[in-house]
Amino acid sequence: QLQLQESGPGLVKPSETLSLTCTVSGGSISSTNYYWGWIRQPPGKGLEWIGSIYHTGSTYYNPSLKSRVTISVDTSKNQFSLKLSSVTAADTAVYFCARVRGLLGGYFDVWGRGTLVSVSS
Amino acid sequence: EVVMTQSPVILSVSPGERATLSCRASQSVSSNLAWYQQKPGQAPRLLIYGASTRATGIPARFSGSGSGTEFTLTISSLQSGDFAVYYCLQYDNWPPTWTFGQGTKVEIK
Repeated sequence: QLQLQESGPGLVKPSETLSLTCTVSGGSISSTNYYWGWIRQPPGKGLEWIGSIYHTGSTYYNPSLKSRVTISVDTSKNQFSLKLSSVTAADTAVYFCARVRGLLGGYFDVWGRGTLVSVSS
Repeated sequence: EVVMTQSPVILSVSPGERATLSCRASQSVSSNLAWYQQKPGQAPRLLIYGASTRATGIPARFSGSGSGTEFTLTISSLQSGDFAVYYCLQYDNWPPTWTFGQGTKVEIK
């Protein structure tokens, strides 16, 4: 059964770069049928798509975050990663990774449990 | 950019009653619409995709309808485990973007 697990620091200082990794188990990140994505949720608020990546490295980003976001993939480790630069308190959120079923016209069908990242000095 | 608007923000329903949740897109997304249920401290759970297809293991009391810009999630007879926040998601394929609605909280009346 496919599982996704987010990992990374739970606390990041303002102006620094947030870095998270999603490890995929029970399936291959190199499958031709799926994209992979990052979504976040500030405490008590709704869900926001951050970006998505294909195993070839092709990426799509939320226009509102595009200038600060980099998503990459490491097929040898079955992982994909998120970097968000110049963070502020507004970037405090639970960060989820998820699989996109159906390629670009697809929905998030399998999610990680999420990891809380707080931005504070 | 497609904007998704859900209504109402909060829906108060008694157990056993029907709940009807709405999601409106600012432009047509065809049937590229999914619904999720989220409980506190948990990841969202996929309920419906393609506007009306139930995901694996989702009970028949959950149904989705609509296309274009107007969508509805109906829970025919609310059970205690259904009180949660529900989100819609559009996944139109070009340009590739994914946009969530702001959520509807279904609470016990």
